[in-house]
Amino acid sequence: EAQVTQNPRYLITVTGKKLTVTCSQNMNHEYMSWYRQDPGLGLRQIYYSMNVEVTDKGDVPEGYKVSRKEKRNFPLILESPSPNQTSLYFCASGPPQGFGETQYFGPGTRLLVL
Amino acid sequence: GNSVTQMEGPVTLSEEAFLTINCTYTATGYPSLFWYVQYPGEGLQLLLKATKADDKGSNKGFEATYRKETTSFHLEKGSVQVSDSAVYFCALSSDFGNEKLTFGTGTRLTIIP
Repeated sequence: EAQVTQNPRYLITVTGKKLTVTCSQNMNHEYMSWYRQDPGLGLRQIYYSMNVEVTDKGDVPEGYKVSRKEKRNFPLILESPSPNQTSLYFCASGPPQGFGETQYFGPGTRLLVL
Repeated sequence: GNSVTQMEGPVTLSEEAFLTINCTYTATGYPSLFWYVQYPGEGLQLLLKATKADDKGSNKGFEATYRKETTSFHLEKGSVQVSDSAVYFCALSSDFGNEKLTFGTGTRLTIIP
């Protein structure tokens, strides 16, 4: 089954404790991206990757890091989480043939930073 | 920059009612337009899309027409069901090289029997 998986699905942590949210896709997509969803703001892009070892900032990258060492995986790293990073996070992947292609979303990771 | 504005929710309708969720956009160039749906506890799924002016996207009884002259992409369904209860997001993509989706704020739809 074609899918994007994220782990963990739910996470409660404390300020400053490093964490990683994993994302994996089995569709051989070159493009992957992270979004955060906040009430009244919709989804905003954090980082994206056009291919292995190619990453770039989205609209709200502060406080986040990513890596793309393998095509299928695109982890999101919070080196020192703060309460304003409490949010619902989605990973997405898609084919690279220009815009207009469908993107596929993971089930989401709900993060609470105390 | 790009932006998407969609009608505020929540929207509550009775089963079999007609649904319209308004969506307008601002973008440079020729964006592609999407409606994504988020069912409770799940990620976003593509509902329908249109990639050029006057195209109509349709799926599961939902329709939306890409209107360049009014910069709109309103979502419609003739007869809603309880199972349509979800959050609906209008989105656009126009950044060639970064297929970023710019989303509206979402509209929560509740259908009552």
